[in-house]
Amino acid sequence: DTAVSQTPKYLVTQMGNDKSIKCEQNLGHDTMYWYKQDSKKFLKIMFSYNNKELIINETVPNRFSPKSPDKAHLNLHINSLELGDSAVYFCASSQYRGFNQPQHFGDGTRLSIL
Amino acid sequence: AQSVAQPEDQVNVAEGNPLTVKCTYSVSGNPYLFWYVQYPNRGLQFLLKYITGDNLVKGSYGFEAEFNKSQTSFHLKKPSALVSDSALYFCAVRDGNRDDKIIFGKGTRLHILP
Repeated sequence: DTAVSQTPKYLVTQMGNDKSIKCEQNLGHDTMYWYKQDSKKFLKIMFSYNNKELIINETVPNRFSPKSPDKAHLNLHINSLELGDSAVYFCASSQYRGFNQPQHFGDGTRLSIL
Repeated sequence: AQSVAQPEDQVNVAEGNPLTVKCTYSVSGNPYLFWYVQYPNRGLQFLLKYITGDNLVKGSYGFEAEFNKSQTSFHLKKPSALVSDSALYFCAVRDGNRDDKIIFGKGTRLHILP
């Protein structure tokens, strides 16, 4: 059973389009995250939700909007895609009440903007 | 502000030799330290963590890490490297006194030469 699953795995689209990435975790965790990994493999947090509540919102363009319908799901919608949005986007989850708890990552969504 | 540094972009080790991947950190409170590994086209996988207690922490796949408070370091080690250990390794830190995000290092690519 996949613990953190993301769809789609690959996303190729034109500049200016709107797209969504879905994430689901079956670990019963309270907290979920979105990370962006650039071409140099640098990993940066974008958002974090705890029990459907936004708790971390880094300096991310407002074209990016996370949505958490329940604590097992955290989706990422991106409007007006730009060339610089090309990256791998990772979803992750962890138990919130344990700040020392490790994060469990999905296998990523590779977004390519043409 | 918290930060983490991985001074080596790449480490090359012959199979069977011991390996070390370096990490130093900076936090204002007590550090929570983590190591993750990333294989090609996969998400990050948790290896081990230091929260408190013994300075030598043992983790998955025979890896261990040594917490050194005076040197603010948390180097990853393994006594005998395997070719299958070749991957990208990330050190991460969280300030244990604050409800804040985890910060990842830029990653170190480990090449185990057969």
